[in-house]
Amino acid sequence: KAGVTQTPRYLIKTRGQQVTLSCSPISGHRSVSWYQQTPGQGLQFLFEYFSETQRNKGNFPGRFSGRQFSNSRSEMNVSTLELGDSALYLCASSRTGTSGAGYSYEQYFGPGTRLTVT
Amino acid sequence: QKEVEQNSGPLSVPEGAIASLNCTYSDRGSQSFFWYRQYSGKSPELIMFIYSNGDKEDGRFTAQLNKASQYVSLLIRDSQPSDSATYLCAACRQGGKLIFGQGTELSVKP
Repeated sequence: KAGVTQTPRYLIKTRGQQVTLSCSPISGHRSVSWYQQTPGQGLQFLFEYFSETQRNKGNFPGRFSGRQFSNSRSEMNVSTLELGDSALYLCASSRTGTSGAGYSYEQYFGPGTRLTVT
Repeated sequence: QKEVEQNSGPLSVPEGAIASLNCTYSDRGSQSFFWYRQYSGKSPELIMFIYSNGDKEDGRFTAQLNKASQYVSLLIRDSQPSDSATYLCAACRQGGKLIFGQGTELSVKP
């Protein structure tokens, strides 16, 4: 079974620009979560999508947005890029993801997109 | 207080020894816990998950969960140099977010 794929793998953007990252989950998985990883803050949750609906959102500004398509593929958009947005952006695929009761199916990460903002 | 706390390390063990990695969490509503391994420059790889109190074994890895103490641990038996990596603990918060600790760096010396 193919794993999680993310495109592009590397991006260099300038402050003020916007960027769109793409994630294709494992076949049959309906939940996609996005995370930002930086050396200082570690792995931080951005949002989770399930069946085209945003299920959860982390504490990031509105410049960060996402969506999920009917085939479960997901995109993440960051507008008006700032230097501090430089990070590894990871998406994780899960059969059904998290529940409100503190349960989660296993999440499998893609290789990530390394974004550098100059 | 961070929601999921881990000792940052580095934790250094000799080859063949048992490596013990620890994690505490603050949300008593958390029910699912995960251990990921991350090599430098790579993405996290799931190695264990545990939902019930007690021990869960998979090969050289044993995850232990104590919900009363809000404590999760990972034991790696017969540690190998290839186990040298950062180990991330994650807990699913009630309300449905997966929260990660800062990670423990493990170094296995030949």
